Amino acid sequence: DVKVTQSSRYLVKRTGEKVFLECVQDMDHENMFWYRQDPGLGLRLIYFSYDVKMKEKGDIPEGYSVSREKKERFSLILESASTNQTSMYLCASSLAQIELSQYFGPGTRLTVL
Amino acid sequence: GNSVTQMEGPVTLSEEAFLTINCTYTATGYPSLFWYVQYPGEGLQLLLKATKADDKGSNKGFEATYRKETTSFHLEKGSVQVSDSAVYFCALLYSSASKIIFGSGTRLSIRP
Repeated sequence: DVKVTQSSRYLVKRTGEKVFLECVQDMDHENMFWYRQDPGLGLRLIYFSYDVKMKEKGDIPEGYSVSREKKERFSLILESASTNQTSMYLCASSLAQIELSQYFGPGTRLTVL
Repeated sequence: GNSVTQMEGPVTLSEEAFLTINCTYTATGYPSLFWYVQYPGEGLQLLLKATKADDKGSNKGFEATYRKETTSFHLEKGSVQVSDSAVYFCALLYSSASKIIFGSGTRLSIRP
């Protein structure tokens, strides 16, 4: 089975802190994604990556950056956390062009105080 | 642009009731369509998918048919169980970008 893991299930940070959310997948998938999930808004794509060192902005990239130095790892960075970034963050991965489905991690619930 | 609209929740049903969760989409070309399910405290899991018009996806007693004429992909189940309580997301995949657009989710609660 594909496994996507996220470094923390729950995280509490203060406004202005730099926050790193880590995601690792073990199935050699080319594509990786970061979403945030908010009530009534569903999932919104923040950033995605097709390959190592490649990244593309999603629908709501403002206030976020990403890093993909290794194929299996995709990091989401909040340079200066703000209270409106309190949310559930979900990481996903998929095979390029072959497998249409995305596989999701369990999520990180981030609270910014 | 591309979008997905699904019925607002929460939806509350009694066990063994018939379930329909409506989903319609707007897309250029021929997207693939999905239903994902999120159980409490977990990430999303693929429930079923359909990749072309008139395809029927099915899994765990759930079904959805890709209707191009009505741009719909409604989720149905003949007899729901308490364990089906979850949030259900309709989604579409467009172009070759491997990007998926999700609906806002429908929370389903099943009473014993």
